Amino acid sequence: QQQVKQSPQSLIVQKGGISIINCAYENTAFDYFPWYQQFPGKGPALLIAIRPDVSEKKEGRFTISFNKSAKQFSLHIMDSQPGDSATYFCAATPLYNQGGKLIFGQGTELSVKP
Amino acid sequence: EAGVTQSPTHLIKTRGQQATLRCSPISGHTSVYWYQQALGLGLQFLLWYDEGEERNRGNFPPRFSGRQFPNYSSELNVNALELEDSALYLCASSLEVIDTQYFGPGTRLTVL
Repeated sequence: QQQVKQSPQSLIVQKGGISIINCAYENTAFDYFPWYQQFPGKGPALLIAIRPDVSEKKEGRFTISFNKSAKQFSLHIMDSQPGDSATYFCAATPLYNQGGKLIFGQGTELSVKP
Repeated sequence: EAGVTQSPTHLIKTRGQQATLRCSPISGHTSVYWYQQALGLGLQFLLWYDEGEERNRGNFPPRFSGRQFPNYSSELNVNALELEDSALYLCASSLEVIDTQYFGPGTRLTVL
C-alpha cells in the first residue's frame, strides 16, 4: 500500500519528441504528488507537483496528468531536449495527514538523443 | 538564497565503524528529512525532524539515528556500519510540514 510503481525504467527519446513517464499508487491517503529531476552527482530537484483535486498541471514543457479513479499519474515532457537527460522520480505522500514522508518511485533514466 | 548543504561530500568507512553525516537546511526551514539512495533501491525515507523532535521514521534499524539542533541543522549517525549501508544519503528541508522538500547534493558513504 505504501508503494509507488514507476515505468519505464529507462527511456530514449529523440530531440523534439515527447517523453512520457507513468506512475501508479495504491494508498488513497496520498494527497500530494511531486516529480523530481536528478542529474548525476546532484540531489533531486523539484520539477512540478500536483494535488488530487486537479486533473492536469502544466509548467512550461512539463505537464502532470492525474487520474484519481485509476490512481495513476504521469509526466509528459514536450519538445524534449538533450538537457532534459536525467533521472526522473515520481513521489507521493499523505502530506496533509502525516506530512514529511515522501514515497518515491524507482526512477526513470531519460536519454534525449540530439 | 543558499540551498541545503551537506557534509562531507564523500565518506569512506570500514565495516563496524560509525559514520556521522551533517545537513544544514535552507534558512528559515524547520523540517529536515533524511533519505537513503542505494543503487537499485531508489530513494528510501529514513527520518524526519521538525522543531528538534523526531516526527517519523522509515523502515530502518535503530543503528540509524539522528538529531536536530536548535539552529535546525541535523546530523545522521549510522552505527555498526555494514557493507549494504553504502549509498548516497540525501537531506531535504521544508519551510513547513506541508510544503515542498528541497534536497541537498548528498553525502556518498562507502563502507569497505
